[in-house]
Amino acid sequence: QSVLTQSSSASASLGSSVKVTCTLSSGHSSYIIAWHQQQPGKAPRYLMNLEGGGSFQRGSGVPDRFSGSSSGADRFLTISNLQSEDEADYYCETWDSDTQVFGGGTKLTVL
Amino acid sequence: EVQLVESGGGLVQPGGSLRLSCAPSGFTFSNYAMSWVRQAPGKGLEWVSSISGSGGSKYYADSVKGRFTISRDNSKSTLYLQMNSLRAGDTATYYCAKDRGGSLTNVDHWGQGTLVTVSS
Repeated sequence: QSVLTQSSSASASLGSSVKVTCTLSSGHSSYIIAWHQQQPGKAPRYLMNLEGGGSFQRGSGVPDRFSGSSSGADRFLTISNLQSEDEADYYCETWDSDTQVFGGGTKLTVL
Repeated sequence: EVQLVESGGGLVQPGGSLRLSCAPSGFTFSNYAMSWVRQAPGKGLEWVSSISGSGGSKYYADSVKGRFTISRDNSKSTLYLQMNSLRAGDTATYYCAKDRGGSLTNVDHWGQGTLVTVSS
């Protein structure tokens, strides 16, 4: 069982909001994670790190349309006022037992 | 501004070797852990290896342990990944990544990647 689980896809309409979920496995619910965005054909981009209590810190230049929150073992990335350029793959990331772990990624489609 | 520039990718035969380099700028290199992360065509991100800021601690994914070696030269501000006994399954874009802290923290900057193709 992977430490991080993400749903494979999500979709939402232009101008709306969407919440992408990353779930930590049992025993890891206090872990800090990071969210990364990968637009088609581009390198990943760091968005934020997110603590279990829900506090988050955006990376440099990341719009405030991107926010994070937490509930138990779930870590959420919320994107408000969706833009076409938000259509991308989103990955969560953490460390566990001297191993860096990435979730399988969520492909976000902007309708 | 933080920049990470990878080099050294290319086409190599199965069983061959390749050394990737990463030239960082915009931060004090020795203060931060660094990682290599790869992405096979059409697949997700896969962590490969990380090294602490001092270079004294190194970590590897099981898939590359014993074949890949991560190293850094803080005097030259350069990160390396020596890849030996390459297999077709190692074909991927390899990204150099800066970690947020000195060791065991998440990535907060990415390079543009260098493509490694293992094929006869």
